Amino acid sequence: DAGITQSPRHKVTETGTPVTLRCHQTENHRYMYWYRQDPGHGLRLIHYSYGVKDTDKGEVSDGYSVSRSKTEDFLLTLESATSSQTSVYFCAIMEAGGYEQYFGPGTRLTVT
Amino acid sequence: GEDVEQSLFLSVREGDSSVINCTYTDSSSTYLYWYKQEPGAGLQLLTYIFSNMDMKQDQRLTVLLNKKDKHLSLRIADTQTGDSAIYFCAESIRGYSTLTFGKGTMLLVSP
Repeated sequence: DAGITQSPRHKVTETGTPVTLRCHQTENHRYMYWYRQDPGHGLRLIHYSYGVKDTDKGEVSDGYSVSRSKTEDFLLTLESATSSQTSVYFCAIMEAGGYEQYFGPGTRLTVT
Repeated sequence: GEDVEQSLFLSVREGDSSVINCTYTDSSSTYLYWYKQEPGAGLQLLTYIFSNMDMKQDQRLTVLLNKKDKHLSLRIADTQTGDSAIYFCAESIRGYSTLTFGKGTMLLVSP
């Protein structure tokens, strides 16, 4: 398995609270991605990073922010969680010049 | 625009071949991927094909690409119960290889 961990693996939080999900990699890959998976929608891209401090928006970025202060960590923040953000969140990594995108184990987030 | 379509469900018997189909709309796709997801798990990269190829074979897996019809298929030979999972088709178009996924095909293999 690619060296990707996500934390926490499960979280229940209340509407309006801030939440930060962490993706950590040991592969020193340049590219990192956050996707969410919802029934009936497959996986959709939230944000991605093409280097330290270099990030961009994906298809469903509203309500989310990201930060990447070092190569190994990519943080996804929900500033004020809403019930529509209840989902399973996956992080992925890919090396520069590569074609294979590897996924982490996921974080199941429930917003009540 | 980008859209990836898959049939939602496929049921086969153990030992048969399975064929999972996918269509995509963006002719500028560079790479097309197949991922497998078992219950409660992350996505496992099975295989991928570059858009200038027609076919790729990897052990029990065969990927066929018809660029004219924008159709991608994954054939699993000698399907086993352990192949039961959701299979996702995905395409990569933009720079930085962001992926656009289909909604997934649930494959159920019965003994």
